[in-house]
Amino acid sequence: NAGVTQTPKFQVLKTGQSMTLQCAQDMNHNSMYWYRQDPGMGLRLIYYSASEGTTDKGEVPNGYNVSRLNKREFSLRLESAAPSQTSVYFCASSEISTIGNQPQHFGDGTRLSIL
Amino acid sequence: GNSVTQMEGPVTLSEEAFLTINCTYTATGYPSLFWYVQYPGEGLQLLLKATKADDKGSNKGFEATYRKETTSFHLEKGSVQVSDSAVYFCALSGRSSASKIIFGSGTRLSIRP
Repeated sequence: NAGVTQTPKFQVLKTGQSMTLQCAQDMNHNSMYWYRQDPGMGLRLIYYSASEGTTDKGEVPNGYNVSRLNKREFSLRLESAAPSQTSVYFCASSEISTIGNQPQHFGDGTRLSIL
Repeated sequence: GNSVTQMEGPVTLSEEAFLTINCTYTATGYPSLFWYVQYPGEGLQLLLKATKADDKGSNKGFEATYRKETTSFHLEKGSVQVSDSAVYFCALSGRSSASKIIFGSGTRLSIRP
């Protein structure tokens, strides 16, 4: 079982360049999430998609866009990369629950450096 | 709003020592509580969870009890191993289907042989 797969694993960009981080899950989960992880700050939610066809902003959405391409795939795009976006990015997925107790399953992360 | 506060690290222990990582939360109603673990170079993995007051989650020798009276969910292990070295995150989720998971800032644990 692959679970949640993120590509690429590493990327170096120059300021102003654009790129798309890809995420796919094979667990038939409805909800998907993008986080960034910075030292000493835990995980911060960038965007999430509660179900296919919907996306919503999280805690730190500025500078990012997302696309829920289908139920399996949820991509994150940086239109004009900035050094402040240097971080480790994690994609996660979970099932919907009426009582909100479903844990999230994480990919291994994309380590992104903006020069 | 909902929030999670966990003890700051890093925490360094010798092998076979007793571990406690403190976690307290603020939430309306009765959230579900989680502990996640992140090994070097990997994503987060669910370690254990509890969904109602007085529930005890357990896995791989780790335990945490949902204490509503003290709004706490402390992680414990009786005898740690070098392989337990990782970053541990406490998290909560509200009761509605629209609730997102709120993570604490993480506690780095290092175990000396």
